[in-house]
Amino acid sequence: NAGVTQTPKFRILKIGQSMTLQCTQDMNHNYMYWYRQDPGMGLKLIYYSVGAGITDKGEVPNGYNVSRSTTEDFPLRLELAAPSQTSVYFCASSNGYEQFFGPGTRLTVL
Amino acid sequence: GQQVMQIPQYQHVQEGEDFTTYCNSSTTLSNIQWYKQRPGGHPVFLIQLVKSGEVKKQKRLTFQFGEAKKNSSLHITATQTTDVGTYFCAGRAGKSTFGDGTTLTVKP
Repeated sequence: NAGVTQTPKFRILKIGQSMTLQCTQDMNHNYMYWYRQDPGMGLKLIYYSVGAGITDKGEVPNGYNVSRSTTEDFPLRLELAAPSQTSVYFCASSNGYEQFFGPGTRLTVL
Repeated sequence: GQQVMQIPQYQHVQEGEDFTTYCNSSTTLSNIQWYKQRPGGHPVFLIQLVKSGEVKKQKRLTFQFGEAKKNSSLHITATQTTDVGTYFCAGRAGKSTFGDGTTLTVKP
């Protein structure tokens, strides 16, 4: 099992650009999450999903969108990137118990 | 909304000293989980506590869940350099909310 994979590992965006962060899990987990982690801070929940076709907002959803068309994939879309979105983004999946995290995407918006 | 506070934010210890981090929730929790994130890495699950007053041990790590299910602690006995990283609690009351973590550095 690859677990949770995320692409890309690093990305630099210009202000106003858009991009999609990819997340895939091969553990057949129903629950998937997107977090952002700012330097020296904890994990803030952006969006989550309890199954294919179902998504909901977390603490900090503004400026982001998600979709969950399959159990495996949970992409995060950034529209009109802003410097405040510079962060490390972690995707996680869960069977309802522990969360398994991907390696993260380090995003810089200049 | 639910808030989860962790203290201290940073802890520097000499190898062999003990270390404790505390987690406090503004609401009663159904469970609490602990994760460890090594520098440059991603969070990795350590343990889940569910019952009031529960105590669990993993080698040199001792986890406690408060009687009121609003606080928890992680204690490491005789720290080693391999213990460095940031320790997060995640309290569940409906959704899970992560604390901001305690970053542990260990001087050899």
